[in-house]
Amino acid sequence: GESVGLHLPTLSVQEGDNSIINCAYSNSASDYFIWYKQESGKGPQFIIDIRSNMDKRQGQRVTVLLNKTVKHLSLQIAATQPGDSAVYFCAENGDSWGKLQFGAGTQVVVTP
Amino acid sequence: DTEVTQTPKHLVMGMTNKKSLKCEQHMGHRAMYWYKQKAKKPPELMFVYSYEKLSINESVPSRFSPECPNSSLLNLHLHALQPEDSALYLCASSQDGGNQPQHFGDGTRLSIL
Repeated sequence: GESVGLHLPTLSVQEGDNSIINCAYSNSASDYFIWYKQESGKGPQFIIDIRSNMDKRQGQRVTVLLNKTVKHLSLQIAATQPGDSAVYFCAENGDSWGKLQFGAGTQVVVTP
Repeated sequence: DTEVTQTPKHLVMGMTNKKSLKCEQHMGHRAMYWYKQKAKKPPELMFVYSYEKLSINESVPSRFSPECPNSSLLNLHLHALQPEDSALYLCASSQDGGNQPQHFGDGTRLSIL
């Protein structure tokens, strides 16, 4: 079946640098994408979403980029802070209404 | 703090026990979800309720029984679970189940002895 996946399982970033987390998706029919942050012992926390009629959306210190041509999604975090250390999941709307299909996740480790 | 509240935070039960997980949201959302998450894995959808009706059951074994008493509450009844059912059980809600963010609780950590 089609799936959402991530290129890198672990990303080490120096504090203050920018982070880029990548996600590949294979379902060309997907029209809604979302990024979550999950800290240890917590549930996934909504970061930002984007619909397929857009290619970029910005939030507070975060930017999501969508490239439908190559089916690629990325999350950019500006000036990464220790509190950004977490697992980040991308997700796309699945084959049923109301269903989200999650990628495998990327562990982001922020080093001083 | 999340706006989706799950209780209990931790639960240890034997394979013959019956227990229930509870989830509550007061955001006026009309879609609610149960997910199972194993360590270092993404959440896996189990059930979706939309307007208090079960709309998706992802072929979940019958030892898991969901219930949606009203638009704010979601329960997951557990009976005769197996050790492999040990996991983090997450509840989420969204406005009406379409292309909107799902908001998650912090989950119930379930251990089956």
